[in-house]
Amino acid sequence: EVQLVQSGAEVKKPGESLRISCKGSGYSFTSYWITWVRQVPGKGLEWMGRIDPTDSYTNYSPSFRGHVTFSADKSISTAFLQWNTLKASDTAMYYCAGGVGTIAFWGQGTLVTVSS
Amino acid sequence: QLVLTQSPSASASLGASVKLTCTLSSGHSSYAIAWHQQQSQKGPRYLMKINSDGSHSKGDGIPDRFSGSSSGTQRYLTISSLQSEDEADYYCQTWGTGKGVFGGGTKLTVL
Repeated sequence: EVQLVQSGAEVKKPGESLRISCKGSGYSFTSYWITWVRQVPGKGLEWMGRIDPTDSYTNYSPSFRGHVTFSADKSISTAFLQWNTLKASDTAMYYCAGGVGTIAFWGQGTLVTVSS
Repeated sequence: QLVLTQSPSASASLGASVKLTCTLSSGHSSYAIAWHQQQSQKGPRYLMKINSDGSHSKGDGIPDRFSGSSSGTQRYLTISSLQSEDEADYYCQTWGTGKGVFGGGTKLTVL
């Protein structure tokens, strides 16, 4: 079964750093890009960017470039989303998703809460 | 600029059919899109990919009641024999030249 399993919910303070993970199983991890998607409570889905686990090539949405970093370790079939300096406005659900171009499968989501 | 446009809401009666539309911006009529369903308080679920020629490939376990089609810059998701569990938000998504995009989503109400 193709599956993406994300790390658990996080509660952080503004200014702190954070890295969340997304582990693929049931398929060849380098066959599909990992896309990161943000969903603010009550709002729609936002495309943050994607990483190709084969060579770690990335594309970032202009809305997120410079504020988040994508990485991937194909030896452990895991992709990461990292913030160096969290803001309260980063409070949201974050999903990883797999596919090439169009998304074909989803992780279960990681809730990130940033509050002082 | 690559943009996907969806109507904010739609409604149909239990047992009826509904056709949701996702419109690609001008100049992008050759693009494939994917449809995703998000039920209340759940994560998104992939439904299907629709190509510009109308061919489509569904995700595992997606019922035959869900089908897709295409015309010009419009991509459609048709749900027949509506059930209460079909009440959800439906998003279309595409990719092109280093950029991905989602439509704003359509909230489907089953009456």
